[in-house]
Amino acid sequence: EDQVTQSPEALRLQEGESSSLNCSYTVSGLRGLFWYRQDPGKGPEFLFTLYSAGEEKEKERLKATLTKKESFLHITAPKPEDSATYLCAVQAELTGNQFYFGTGTSLTVIP
Amino acid sequence: KAGVTQTPRYLIKTRGQQVTLSCSPISGHRSVSWYQQTPGQGLQFLFEYFSETQRNKGNFPGRFSGRQFSNSRSEMNVSTLELGDSALYLCASHSGQGSEETQYFGPGTRLLVL
Repeated sequence: EDQVTQSPEALRLQEGESSSLNCSYTVSGLRGLFWYRQDPGKGPEFLFTLYSAGEEKEKERLKATLTKKESFLHITAPKPEDSATYLCAVQAELTGNQFYFGTGTSLTVIP
Repeated sequence: KAGVTQTPRYLIKTRGQQVTLSCSPISGHRSVSWYQQTPGQGLQFLFEYFSETQRNKGNFPGRFSGRQFSNSRSEMNVSTLELGDSALYLCASHSGQGSEETQYFGPGTRLLVL
């Protein structure tokens, strides 16, 4: 069964304290792994797509990496405005390219 | 380029009623997906439409239905509302195809069933 698990569920960091969020997945034929940021009361905002193991992408203080079983979202020197829920999703080739989402990691960055 | 728009943004209904939500995708995007988001379950896939045809369907009861029009705008309908249908309903507009496909989300419609 296609599945996406994110950990931790919640994370509190001091401003400037770097950390990583984890997304582990089991899927029948990975087409792509996606990271989104969601602020309260808003729709998810697209951050990155990763397609193959070893791939990395960066955007400001965020860096996403991918292995055959998991992805990490590294946050370097976070700021309070990075506080949000970060969602991971995979697109599965063998189930009609359907997208499966994890339940997210709620990140709070304390000034 | 305008983003994905969803109307209405907020809705209050009572049990047994029906509701229709609307989504206008990004211009040029032909595929739209709908999701239900609740605190405990996260984003649950409802269905996907491409060029007016349902391409994929999630595990929701038949009370949930959708359609897409020739201009790519989409609607979803929930009949005989239940308390458990209270959620944020998100529409996603797809860019690209196959391995280059990415979803861009609208702001959602917050539905409260009393």
